[in-house]
Amino acid sequence: EIVMTQSPATLSVSPGERATLSCRASQSVSSNLAWYQQKPGQAPRLLIYGASTRATGIPARFSGSGSGTEFTLTISSLQSEDFAVYYCQQYNNWPPSITFGQGTRLEIK
Amino acid sequence: QLQLQESGPGLVKPSETLSLTCTVSGGSISSSSYYWGWIRQPPGKGLEWIGSIYYSGSTYYNPSLKSRVTISVDTSKNQFSLKLSSVTAADTAVYYCARHMGSETPVDAFDIWGQGTMVTVSS
Repeated sequence: EIVMTQSPATLSVSPGERATLSCRASQSVSSNLAWYQQKPGQAPRLLIYGASTRATGIPARFSGSGSGTEFTLTISSLQSEDFAVYYCQQYNNWPPSITFGQGTRLEIK
Repeated sequence: QLQLQESGPGLVKPSETLSLTCTVSGGSISSSSYYWGWIRQPPGKGLEWIGSIYYSGSTYYNPSLKSRVTISVDTSKNQFSLKLSSVTAADTAVYYCARHMGSETPVDAFDIWGQGTMVTVSS
């Protein structure tokens, strides 16, 4: 099983500043990596797929990068609605064995 | 637009079988070439993929749950379902259904999610 490790567990950032979240895979997943945002009481929302492609309707302040085992989600200028938990997910294996990271909580500083 | 809605009992007794259904509206399971999945999230914890199914019935399961999981599809009702047997308190979670975004593959992200349904395992 591919293990996804996110860091940090909690990130405190002020509104308007940049946030950088990391995700590491225990083995290469190529670019088969997605990022999700989850707010309390809500389902996850797809932000990024293919490591760097924004999903439909996602603002340009969200960007993803990386390949292989190291990935980054960057939020360029934090808005109040961006404070949430973020998960990465790999979908590289065949047969499929999808795994998620444990999440990074982005909180207001 | 496409919407997914989970339904089923909110309380299940230990050792019994958890059964949930996901109803798809705004589109047809059988006419679209997507896989459909189940994901769960224990209270205060992260996400765990349970398994996925194609409208033809082809399934893939999380190896760690495979012995207890059955996912099926009913195209006449535009639904797919989850059964998890021999449940324990560790199976207490919010259960989500979702659509894989890629055509004809379960090896992809999930782009459309249901709102989730809380299932508690307790006597």
